[in-house]
Amino acid sequence: NAGVTQTPKFRILKIGQSMTLQCAQDMNHNYMYWYRQDPGMGLKLIYYSVGAGITDKGEVPNGYNVSRSTTEDFPLRLELAAPSQTSVYFCASNPDRTGELFFGEGSRLTVL
Amino acid sequence: AQSVTQLGSHVSVSEGALVLLRCNYSSSVPPYLFWYVQYPNQGLQLLLKYTSAATLVKGINGFEAEFKKSETSFHLTKPSAHMSDAAEYFCAVTSSGGGADGLTFGKGTHLIIQP
Repeated sequence: NAGVTQTPKFRILKIGQSMTLQCAQDMNHNYMYWYRQDPGMGLKLIYYSVGAGITDKGEVPNGYNVSRSTTEDFPLRLELAAPSQTSVYFCASNPDRTGELFFGEGSRLTVL
Repeated sequence: AQSVTQLGSHVSVSEGALVLLRCNYSSSVPPYLFWYVQYPNQGLQLLLKYTSAATLVKGINGFEAEFKKSETSFHLTKPSAHMSDAAEYFCAVTSSGGGADGLTFGKGTHLIIQP
């Protein structure tokens, strides 16, 4: 049972480059989320989706985009990478609205 | 709007001693409350959750937490710390009405276990 799978685990980008963080879940969960984690700041919600074709902004969406074409996949796109986007990114999924999230192992991104 | 405050960014206890990690929440509606644990270089794992049933909630690895509405608190405890408990702990909240927009997390508490 794979759960939530994130790729890549590590990536270094130059300022201005773009990339996509991949997230896939095999639990048929409708709800999916992208968080970023910075030291001493906890987790901040970037974007979320309540089902295929539906996405919405979280607390810190600037500089990011998402899409949800299937139930399984929820990629996060970074356009014009900036040093402020250096962070650890977590994808999570949820079978319903009660809040229990299942997390991937994270993607560590460094922008230089 | 909801928020969570975790008191103490770092807590250090001796092996075998009581672990107490503090969490206070703010919510305009009855909350669902969660504790997650994060080991180094890993994702977050659910320790326990409160969803308006029993106010004393038991979780994995011997942890428990008590929901106290009058104090707006959901503190995490474990009677006897083990070296393997060293990790980052996060308290989180969502509304019981349906948290489609995920959880609001505290800033985390790093638990250090002294031998």
